[in-house]
Amino acid sequence: EDKVVQSPLSLVVHEGDTVTLNCSYEVTNFRSLLWYKQEKKAPTFLFMLTSSGIEKKSGRLSSILDKKELFSILNITATQTGDSAIYLCAVEAGNYGQNFVFGPGTRLSVLP
Amino acid sequence: DAGVTQSPTHLIKTRGQQVTLRCSPKSGHDTVSWYQQALGQGPQFIFQYYEEEERQRGNFPDRFSGHQFPNYSSELNVNALLLGDSALYLCASSLGSRGQFGIQYFGAGTRLSVL
Repeated sequence: EDKVVQSPLSLVVHEGDTVTLNCSYEVTNFRSLLWYKQEKKAPTFLFMLTSSGIEKKSGRLSSILDKKELFSILNITATQTGDSAIYLCAVEAGNYGQNFVFGPGTRLSVLP
Repeated sequence: DAGVTQSPTHLIKTRGQQVTLRCSPKSGHDTVSWYQQALGQGPQFIFQYYEEEERQRGNFPDRFSGHQFPNYSSELNVNALLLGDSALYLCASSLGSRGQFGIQYFGAGTRLSVL
């Protein structure tokens, strides 16, 4: 059964801190790994990763994938209160992208 | 450019009833997927529609069914509602090759409460 695990499940930091969120997976025929941010209801797309070792960056956020060790990390530097959200990791798997599996999410709270 | 829109935003039903949720995809997108998100959990894939056919399906019973219309909008139907069906139902759209998910854009969801 395809499985995605995230850690930690919950994290409280102060503004300015740097955080690292972890995502590991066990799936059949990996195709891609995606990160989403869910603030209230609609998850919003952050990154899509398909190749190992290539860092993707967007402002203070960055992510990298390790296909050998089957994990990805999402880094957020100089956190702001607006970064408070649930960060979801998802994996597309299967020969023809037959499954899309989300992890449980990491709830990040950034205190002023 | 309208993003993914879902209706209604909230719905209250009783056990045994049937419900229909609606989704309009982002402009230009042809693939619609549905997810169930229980409180405190990540979304779970229900099924995906492409070219008006169900292309992929997650581990959900036949009580969950859907439809895609020629304008790519979609409906999710749930029959014989159970208390455990209470959740946020998310619709996502994408533009991709047949059977693939690609980068999905999500709607704000429909919150279903079953009493």
